Amino acid sequence: AQSVTQLGSHVSVSEGALVLLRCNYSSSVPPYLFWYVQYPNQGLQLLLKYTTGATLVKGINGFEAEFKKSETSFHLTKPSAHMSDAAEYFCAVGNSGYSTLTFGKGTMLLVSP
Amino acid sequence: ETGVTQSPTHLIKTRGQQVTLRCSSQSGHNTVSWYQQALGQGPQFIFQYYREEENGRGNFPPRFSGLQFPNYSSELNVNALELDDSALYLCASSPPGGQGAEAFFGQGTRLTVV
Repeated sequence: AQSVTQLGSHVSVSEGALVLLRCNYSSSVPPYLFWYVQYPNQGLQLLLKYTTGATLVKGINGFEAEFKKSETSFHLTKPSAHMSDAAEYFCAVGNSGYSTLTFGKGTMLLVSP
Repeated sequence: ETGVTQSPTHLIKTRGQQVTLRCSSQSGHNTVSWYQQALGQGPQFIFQYYREEENGRGNFPPRFSGLQFPNYSSELNVNALELDDSALYLCASSPPGGQGAEAFFGQGTRLTVV
């Protein structure tokens, strides 16, 4: 069984500040890890994914995440927040063979001027 | 290249009724998955279709059923609607290649059951 825990249902940052959204996973097999962003009344857009290889993954809009197997973590970061980053972020875990995903409950990112 | 499209975008149904939601997968994608996203929650996997066959199912009752057509579009049917079925229903398609294939999501259908 797989599961995802996202610490903090809401994270508030000031524009220009570091963004850190936390994600821990549980998986009995090597995981594939994803971060998605959801704007109000929209579907999910893929930010980045880790499957194999380099553990530091760069995504769109300046986001990146690092897979740390020993910590079972896949935290999402961005050096400098922009107002347009305000949205809900979901971490998800998948595995080989199927493209089904198990999602966390999401973290709402609030960006203040 | 068109993305994943879902219809309708919103609908309101009465408890006990039946509903059909539709999804057109992205060009070249042969796998379609459906997710339910309740308010304030992450999406939950309902089921997946691959080459017109159900290819995995989450913890949802049999009154949630689906179809995939030869052109890889898909339908989600829900019978005997309950108030708790009110949610955003998301369709995602994936390309051939399987492992770690990312899922491309549609905009969703917002279902309200009254």
